[in-house]
Amino acid sequence: GDSVTQMEGPVTLSEEAFLTINCTYTATGYPSLFWYVQYPGEGLQLLLKATKADDKGSNKGFEATYRKETTSFHLEKGSVQVSDSAVYFCALSPGNQAGTALIFGKGTTLSVSS
Amino acid sequence: GAVVSQHPSWVICKSGTSVKIECRSLDFQATTMFWYRQFPKQSLMLMATSNEGSKATYEQGVEKDKFLINHASLTLSTLTVTSAHPEDSSFYICSAPLASGATGELFFGEGSRLTVL
Repeated sequence: GDSVTQMEGPVTLSEEAFLTINCTYTATGYPSLFWYVQYPGEGLQLLLKATKADDKGSNKGFEATYRKETTSFHLEKGSVQVSDSAVYFCALSPGNQAGTALIFGKGTTLSVSS
Repeated sequence: GAVVSQHPSWVICKSGTSVKIECRSLDFQATTMFWYRQFPKQSLMLMATSNEGSKATYEQGVEKDKFLINHASLTLSTLTVTSAHPEDSSFYICSAPLASGATGELFFGEGSRLTVL
């Protein structure tokens, strides 16, 4: 079945460092891909998304490009801030359909220190 | 954007009692809602799909008699943990898609943390 694999954490960075969190997926169709962020004690918030190959999602300085050839959707940010400390989840929606449950990776904890 | 709200955000109960968690779509109608469970430092595991007007669909390994789901209206789904035990302690999160959405995005509630003593 469809699945998402993302790098194990925790990731610990200093403020202004470059961030990459790797995410790869396995899917039979043409999924939509998402990054969600979960701040301590809160629910999940959509960070960015991409619905087809070569699309780039971006938000709050974060970016991820839908790479069909490598089945990847790596999350990057050029300069992280302390406020970016959170758990990041890569997810896919199988077949790019509405009304379908998302499949999540295990999450990567990011800790940014000043 | 679409807003999903859960209540309560946290609850503590004694072993053997039942707890109800509500999930509401505040500004849109949701014929489908998804209930996830999140263990500490782990990913979200889909428990069941709640369907308005029909029975919920449970994932393999989820006890439907223990986790009762009722989708009473187009804006409300409830999860009742019956005869709760300490191993049911977890973070429960509901989510819903926009019916008109074509990207598969889900909108998540704030989550409900259940602690069973």
